[in-house]
Amino acid sequence: DSGVTQTPKHLITATGQRVTLRCSPRSGDLSVYWYQQSLDQGLQFLIQYYNGEERAKGNILERFSAQQFPDLHSELNLSSLELGDSALYFCASSVGQSNEKLFFGSGTQLSVL
Amino acid sequence: ILNVEQSPQSLHVQEGDSTNFTCSFPSSNFYALHWYRWETAKSPEALFVMTLNGDEKKKGRISATLNTKEGYSYLYIKGSQPEDSATYLCATSGDRGSTLGRLYFGRGTQLTVWP
Repeated sequence: DSGVTQTPKHLITATGQRVTLRCSPRSGDLSVYWYQQSLDQGLQFLIQYYNGEERAKGNILERFSAQQFPDLHSELNLSSLELGDSALYFCASSVGQSNEKLFFGSGTQLSVL
Repeated sequence: ILNVEQSPQSLHVQEGDSTNFTCSFPSSNFYALHWYRWETAKSPEALFVMTLNGDEKKKGRISATLNTKEGYSYLYIKGSQPEDSATYLCATSGDRGSTLGRLYFGRGTQLTVWP
């Protein structure tokens, strides 16, 4: 158990809908990262938050947004969902901002039908 | 964007065999190299983080080396066991701008160890 909690584990929804994925980092970790794993690609970085502030942004679509709350948990919001958004979404956390091992949650498997 | 290449894509070995795989990355703008093990139905688990040229790390039967000047890292598994079966991912981060703090992952090497 990495200590990173992600909910829900599975999510099935329809095109055009909006969903929220939730992540609680390990105790003491200030950074939260979101990654997307789709069938035809490796782990793709979406976004990083550190102590409530956005630190780095990757290939995150405009339909997607995220935030980190004062208690350090994070949410990833996906809206106007398309079939291609179906993927495994991982949250990871680390103590600092960079150059440290990441601790991954168990992921949320999103299926858009 | 940092392009990370891993080879081979997959590997099948017998229990007791030693094996190794390669991770290649751009040598310029390098900051850190990570190795993760990803078992089926689980989440990626960190093995090593290396930053210095010539770094060597070891964890049990698994070890890794780093050459930042030529842009590669090797992961070695000595005496492979069935429980070593997993996908091994490497990732690198850059040292400035948009590459700092984010990891660029390779596609992984899928290892299967047969009893």
